[in-house]
Amino acid sequence: GQQVMQIPQYQHVQEGEDFTTYCNSSTTLSNIQWYKQRPGGHPVFLIQLVKSGEVKKQKRLTFQFGEAKKNSSLHITATQTTDVGTYFCAAIYNQGGKLIFGQGTELSVKP
Amino acid sequence: AAGVIQSPRHLIKEKRETATLKCYPIPRHDTVYWYQQGPGQDPQFLISFYEKMQSDKGSIPDRFSAQQFSDYHSELNMSSLELGDSALYFCASSPRGLFEQYFGPGTRLTVT
Repeated sequence: GQQVMQIPQYQHVQEGEDFTTYCNSSTTLSNIQWYKQRPGGHPVFLIQLVKSGEVKKQKRLTFQFGEAKKNSSLHITATQTTDVGTYFCAAIYNQGGKLIFGQGTELSVKP
Repeated sequence: AAGVIQSPRHLIKEKRETATLKCYPIPRHDTVYWYQQGPGQDPQFLISFYEKMQSDKGSIPDRFSAQQFSDYHSELNMSSLELGDSALYFCASSPRGLFEQYFGPGTRLTVT
């Protein structure tokens, strides 16, 4: 079935270091979204990528969508303790809108 | 800004009991989604409604049913509860014509 693979599962960084999480799909995606879930919280929408090769930035966060629309990445520059949480990519394969989530990458930041 | 409201926030039930979870989407959002999230896992899609009609169905057990009412709120009904149903249940809504989803705070269901 439809599946999105996300790596790594965990990432522990020192504050100020960079962080990257990757998502891959075996099939072409309509679009991909990124969510952040803080411990004990709910997923919060960060961004949606639609176009092949698209790159979007939000302050220290950079999101990329692959040319083949099968992979995506989220890069955080100079992590801060407020970046702690689990980052999920979520794919939409058709127009129905249901999200197929990646396994998530849990980020911890040591001050 | 208004957010998705879910009630109750916590629910404890015994095996074989029933539970009803409620979701009130953000005003003027026309699509509602239900997800189940087990401990340390990603959210799994259960079911969605677009303009009060079921629009998609995921890995939802036959013991579960859901509907969306005329005021756009949605209810997830769960019967013959099993220990494995213990999880966080999220409702999300999305605005007309867009796919970004706004999640509620979730209902934590514990089945004992």
